[in-house]
Amino acid sequence: QKEVEQDPGPLSVPEGAIVSLNCTYSNSAFQYFMWYRQYSRKGPELLMYTYSSGNKEDGRFTAQVDKSSKYISLFIRDSQPSDSATYLCAMSDFNNAGNMLTFGGGTRLMVKP
Amino acid sequence: SAVISQKPSRDICQRGTSLTIQCQVDSQVTMMFWYRQQPGQSLTLIATANQGSEATYESGFVIDKFPISRPNLTFSTLTVSNMSPEDSSIYLCSVGTEGASVYGYTFGSGTRLTVV
Repeated sequence: QKEVEQDPGPLSVPEGAIVSLNCTYSNSAFQYFMWYRQYSRKGPELLMYTYSSGNKEDGRFTAQVDKSSKYISLFIRDSQPSDSATYLCAMSDFNNAGNMLTFGGGTRLMVKP
Repeated sequence: SAVISQKPSRDICQRGTSLTIQCQVDSQVTMMFWYRQQPGQSLTLIATANQGSEATYESGFVIDKFPISRPNLTFSTLTVSNMSPEDSSIYLCSVGTEGASVYGYTFGSGTRLTVV
């Protein structure tokens, strides 16, 4: 079993839809949770991060963490074609040597005009 | 955040040969990492590049296959040695700043390697 599970998609939605992207994990030591966006032929770029449980909102993006269920989500409101990318969740306890990030496999999102 | 220049952006190599990938950062950074992203797969950490000492490798990765250099705080190289088709992947450099702030974790655009 992978430490972080993420549905690979692809997820295809019409423009303006609300998108829900999710990851589950098994390591209860994870405290920091991140979402990266990766456009084709580009490196991942940090989109949002949260510490421990709770919600965080940034414009059209909302990140949620439920540590009791070991489940994190990224919601995208009013999705745009420019949101089409692969979304990677990542997490860490930032206590281990090297501050390693553990990534999910990524979900490919396609927003159709 | 730091700006990373990674070279080459892509290459097609013959099996049995080696390729060295360069990662140049526009500012001094504490932490530099090398990741591999296989087609349709997650990012997997290969090693942490330590300035002035040997790199720290993750399970499944060895120095003979992936030698890493880090001569200063702005530059690192990863060599993929004695390549086979299984090494076809995207290799990514990532950097972090002091204090492990998540905002400090920046990725390069990656090197797309195809081994034939």
